[in-house]
Amino acid sequence: SYELTQPPSVSVSPGQTASITCSGDKLGDKYAWWYQQKPGQSPVLVIYEDIKRPSGIPERFSGSNSGNTATLTISGTQAMDEADYYCQAWDNSIAVFGTGTRVTVL
Amino acid sequence: EVQLVESGGGLVQPGGSLRLSCSASGFIFSNYAMHWVRQAPGKGLEWVSGLSSSGGSTYYINSVKGRFVISRDNSKNTLHLQMSSLRAEDTAVYYCAKDSHPELERPDNCLDPWGQGTLVTVSS
Repeated sequence: SYELTQPPSVSVSPGQTASITCSGDKLGDKYAWWYQQKPGQSPVLVIYEDIKRPSGIPERFSGSNSGNTATLTISGTQAMDEADYYCQAWDNSIAVFGTGTRVTVL
Repeated sequence: EVQLVESGGGLVQPGGSLRLSCSASGFIFSNYAMHWVRQAPGKGLEWVSGLSSSGGSTYYINSVKGRFVISRDNSKNTLHLQMSSLRAEDTAVYYCAKDSHPELERPDNCLDPWGQGTLVTVSS
């Protein structure tokens, strides 16, 4: 079965850039989605189709996808960005989620 | 505003059954595929099942095939998940999520938004 691997944690200072990777076989041939989940809340879509931002999502969130790796970048990270982040892709009409990354803003 | 409200969760014994519901509002429910995604306590997200807008196409993860059935009532704007032969490993918060398209077999299906979730606990 298809698997997506993320680093368990990423730490970043306020105002700095956080990069979260998502690795999967030929992931660049698929679209990647990214979800943010804060404690006790439901996941929220922050990036879709590799690079697109839903309305209401700040410009500091951006995405890329090439080769075997998709990346979510948070520029000028704020304390409110502290959360778990999950990538997602489709494999034969089955949604596959990444292992998740906890972003800590120190 | 799109709203998805799950219900039906609770405590059930191993081997038991439970039916989850997701009440939808704020959009034309019959025009969109829908999904169930679960999250075990302290764990990551796991997609469970998807259903096309007409109900004619369904997909499941292997671990629930033959035990769970996804369905919808477009006249009542409601999505269901009938769960049977429940196991301890099915314990999780179950979320319903709206798709961006009516059919499932697209490279750009998008799960957005999600409901608040309902907790299912399988324990004796």
